[in-house]
Parts: sequence; C-alpha cells; structure tokens
Amino acid sequence: GAVVSQHPSRVICKSGTSVKIECRSLDFQATTMFWYRQFPKQSLMLMATSNEGSKATYEQGVEKDKFLINHASLTLSTLTVTSAHPEDSSFYICSAIRLAGQQETQYFGPGTRLLVL
Amino acid sequence: AQSVTQPDIHITVSEGASLELRCNYSYGATPYLFWYVQSPGQGLQLLLKYFSGDTLVQGIKGFEAEFKRSQSSFNLRKPSVHWSDAAEYFCAVGVRYSSASKIIFGSGTRLSIRP
Repeated sequence: GAVVSQHPSRVICKSGTSVKIECRSLDFQATTMFWYRQFPKQSLMLMATSNEGSKATYEQGVEKDKFLINHASLTLSTLTVTSAHPEDSSFYICSAIRLAGQQETQYFGPGTRLLVL
Repeated sequence: AQSVTQPDIHITVSEGASLELRCNYSYGATPYLFWYVQSPGQGLQLLLKYFSGDTLVQGIKGFEAEFKRSQSSFNLRKPSVHWSDAAEYFCAVGVRYSSASKIIFGSGTRLSIRP
C-alpha cells in the first residue's frame, strides 16, 4: 500500500532555533499534502494545506511566518518551525492525497515529535 | 462551518463486550466520513470511510459504522472488543478542497479494555 514517511521521527532543539520536518510520499505523487499538529491527549488540528508548486493555505490562527511550508516536488513537502519556542513542542503529522481517477485516498505519516527546550 | 463532535472522552468496556463510539458531524453538503484509530506511539490508521452508497460501512478489525443523515451521526461499532482494541479513536469529516479533501478531526475517544 501507499506509504508516507516523515523525517525526523523526533527532534529536540533549543529555543530560538529552526527545525525542518520532511514529509514524503514514497510510491505515489501527491499534489496536495496536509500538515497537522497534535498536543498530548488531544485531537489533530489541521494547520495548513500544502500545494505543489504554489503557496500553502493556512488555517485560521496558524502563523504562516512561523510555520513555513514548501511543497517543492510531487513527493516532498517540508514544514519549518522557525524560531521555535517551548510552546511549539508538539506532535506534527503530515498526510498526502493519492488520486486515482475519481478515487481519492489520504495517507498519514507516522508523525514527528518536536521538543523545544 | 464543518465540525465533528465525539461526546465521549473516555470509555471503558470489558473484553468481549460490544462497543459503540458516538460521532456527530456538522457539514452543509454530503459528507465524507472517516474513523481512524491511533495506538500509543503509532500513526493514524484508517478503520473505515463513508463516501456514498450503503450507509452501513464495514471496516478493518471487525469494525463497522452507520451513517444516519437524519441524526447527523456516524457511530462506530464492534460486536466484541479485544484487548488490542485499546487506543484513541477519531471520527473525522472530509471537506472538499479543490481536488482533494481536507480532514477535520473530532476530539477523540479513548477506549480502555477491562480484562
């Protein structure tokens, strides 16, 4: 089946540094990917929609300058948390849309756990 | 605006007992509906989905869900739970976005299994 990978799986960084998280669709092309964050024992909150070759669309309340998204190819989207602070510590999950004719399937990555000290 | 409500934060059932997890949605059009499961330290796994057609949907691991338009509900059921079913369950609605659907998740229901 289709697989979506994320790298790294976990990262610890110092406050003020930037962290890049990669999301890859391994055996299919994805023009659309999504980024979510999940706080402990809470639900997934959609952050933004990543569109290949164009700017990402951010959900209300998500700072686009804080969370930079680049969808440079049909198999890769990156999320960069700029000037990270402890409150950015969270579990970040991406998903990728696989289109086969009219059939659309969304596959989720395993997530990246970010801890900002 | 579209939303998903899971009224039960935490449910505990005995192993072998039946299970029903509640989900209500709010969406103006015909919804795409999903149930996902997330085990500790694991990624999201799709249990089942409803796009159209038969309102009773069969999924993996013996789960099923029934779409009831009149009640705006999509409850998840399993006739006999196993200890391995202990996990977090998320109901979700797909919102059509251009050529793909973005998924809005409910708050989740944590399922514990009593031996």
